Amino acid sequence: GEDVEQSLFLSVREGDSSVINCTYTDSSSTYLYWYKQEPGAGLQLLTYIFSNMDMKQDQRLTVLLNKKDKHLSLRIADTQTGDSAIYFCAEIRDSSYKLIFGSGTRLLVRP
Amino acid sequence: SQTIHQWPATLVQPVGSPLSLECTVEGTSNPNLYWYRQAAGRGLQLLFYSVGIGQISSEVPQNLSASRPQDRQFILSSKKLLLSDSGFYLCAWSPQDKPLLGQYFGPGTRLTVT
Repeated sequence: GEDVEQSLFLSVREGDSSVINCTYTDSSSTYLYWYKQEPGAGLQLLTYIFSNMDMKQDQRLTVLLNKKDKHLSLRIADTQTGDSAIYFCAEIRDSSYKLIFGSGTRLLVRP
Repeated sequence: SQTIHQWPATLVQPVGSPLSLECTVEGTSNPNLYWYRQAAGRGLQLLFYSVGIGQISSEVPQNLSASRPQDRQFILSSKKLLLSDSGFYLCAWSPQDKPLLGQYFGPGTRLTVT
């Protein structure tokens, strides 16, 4: 994941909003994804955004994309204890099947 | 709906022993299939992908190999395991006609090489 960077850890209080950030380096990235991984489990696709969009909202999740700064964020509204997990940002480039992952951000939700 | 299975869920193998991990997908035809490895505390690294039966692309040179004997079956193998092969192995699939709308992951196999 050397081309995609995320902060390692985020702690929030239950009911607050969480914002998880990601930066990528390749301007040819066309699709960007957020995945959630609970302990010992596989990855769950949460949402994706095309590079020609700057925002996408899906229930409690809001994705913001700043192409100029190559910055992607995931906002979780009204964070719940069940949201505690590792969140991965990933990108895919033109004509490629290869998902390139960040190292993941561990979200801890405190009661 | 589509489901993806992996087995075994956990595996402990000695160095030098062979390996066979299996992945199957239900509820779809001709999927793209992927093998990833996740090292402890790290993101995922793509090892192999397949766009059809018998078609395998390798992303990382190593002592692992992959095969796709049937449309919805993907197998990861090794003839002789190394300590560095320990990790969490994840299989994923994506629709053949919409590969960029996301990849869907199985529950994973945790491999410990001793």
